[in-house]
Amino acid sequence: GENVEQHPSTLSVQEGDSAVIKCTYSDSASNYFPWYKQELGKRPQLIIDIRSNVGEKKDQRIAVTLNKTAKHFSLHITETQPEDSAVYFCAAIGPQNQGGKLIFGQGTELSVKP
Amino acid sequence: GAVVSQHPSRVICKSGTSVKIECRSLDFQATTMFWYRQFPKQSLMLMATSNEGSKATYEQGVEKDKFLINHASLTLSTLTVTSAHPEDSSFYICSARARQGWMNTEAFFGQGTRLTVV
Repeated sequence: GENVEQHPSTLSVQEGDSAVIKCTYSDSASNYFPWYKQELGKRPQLIIDIRSNVGEKKDQRIAVTLNKTAKHFSLHITETQPEDSAVYFCAAIGPQNQGGKLIFGQGTELSVKP
Repeated sequence: GAVVSQHPSRVICKSGTSVKIECRSLDFQATTMFWYRQFPKQSLMLMATSNEGSKATYEQGVEKDKFLINHASLTLSTLTVTSAHPEDSSFYICSARARQGWMNTEAFFGQGTRLTVV
């Protein structure tokens, strides 16, 4: 089945700097890659996603890139703010005819220092 | 986005008793629901995938008889932790997704249930 590896596990940046989180996946049939932000004790919230037919997607300060050949995708946050501090998870979804499971990476604890 | 409601948000139970957690999609039909378990400072571990009207598919290492999943309708899935023990204490969270043809769509999460077994 699908396996998603995420790094780094912790990331500390100064306010205004950029943050990059990287993930790799194992199943080449996976075709949907969401990123979630989770604050302590709360549910994961979708912040951006990308489908396998697209190489890059941007939404204001957040962008995601996908390299299907290398089977990795990355989250880029620019002009970070203290409220960006949270745990970020990447995920991959396999094709529907294989169950369409949503498998998470290990998570990255991002700390943005004022 | 769509709303998924999970109840209860917190539950404390005695060892040996059973606890039922409900997950409802409020404004869409969830053809598939997923149940996850999350330990402190760790990732969400998929326990099982639930499709409406059929038996749940459990991940390797998850005891089917201990974690009973029922997906009786397109808006409701339940997870029952049977004969709970302290090691079952965890954060349980459900996710629901609607299918659009063969494309995968966004998964919406419930609020999670903090289970404490004493």
